[in-house]
Amino acid sequence: QKEVEQNSGPLSVPEGAIASLNCTYSDRGSQSFFWYRQYSGKSPELIMSIYSNGDKEDGRFTAQLNKASQYVSLLIRDSQPSDSATYLCAVTPDTVEGKLIFGQGTTLQVKP
Amino acid sequence: GAGVSQSPSNKVTEKGKDVELRCDPISGHTALYWYRQSLGQGLEFLIYFQGNSAPDKSGLPSDRFSAERTGGSVSTLTIQRTQQEDSAVYLCASSLVPQLPDTQYFGPGTRLTVL
Repeated sequence: QKEVEQNSGPLSVPEGAIASLNCTYSDRGSQSFFWYRQYSGKSPELIMSIYSNGDKEDGRFTAQLNKASQYVSLLIRDSQPSDSATYLCAVTPDTVEGKLIFGQGTTLQVKP
Repeated sequence: GAGVSQSPSNKVTEKGKDVELRCDPISGHTALYWYRQSLGQGLEFLIYFQGNSAPDKSGLPSDRFSAERTGGSVSTLTIQRTQQEDSAVYLCASSLVPQLPDTQYFGPGTRLTVL
């Protein structure tokens, strides 16, 4: 079993719709949770971090964490074509090293 | 510079040759990480440095891979006797301190192609 799992997609949504991206993780001791966006040929950039159960909102992005279910999600409201990218879920196993364990990413396509 | 830099940006080598990849972290960042991204895959952790020490080398795929960091700054990832399966984008990241992973910023990567 992979440590962090994501549906590879592609997930296709029309412009203006809500895109919902999901991620599960296997290590119940995971401490921190992140969503990175990666455009083709570019390096990942952090868009959301979440540390406690519940929702965290930042602009059009909402991250949701449920530690009991070992599940983290990212909602993108009012999706734009510029949101088309691969979204990587990452977790840190502990607070000591800060290394990130990534899922394989979900490709999002927002169609005009 | 303001961000993490890596060199070279692209490297094409022949199977069996050795390669060195360089990472210059953000000034003042004590933690440095190497990751590898194979085609269509997520990022795979390779090694973590705190200062010049590497407390976690657990992600290095084989003993052909090694890395060092000097002066608490520049890091070099060396791959000896390269194989075709080593072809990937090698990404370096640095963070202010390891306990603040949301300060982890990635460099542009080195694309390694082994023929």
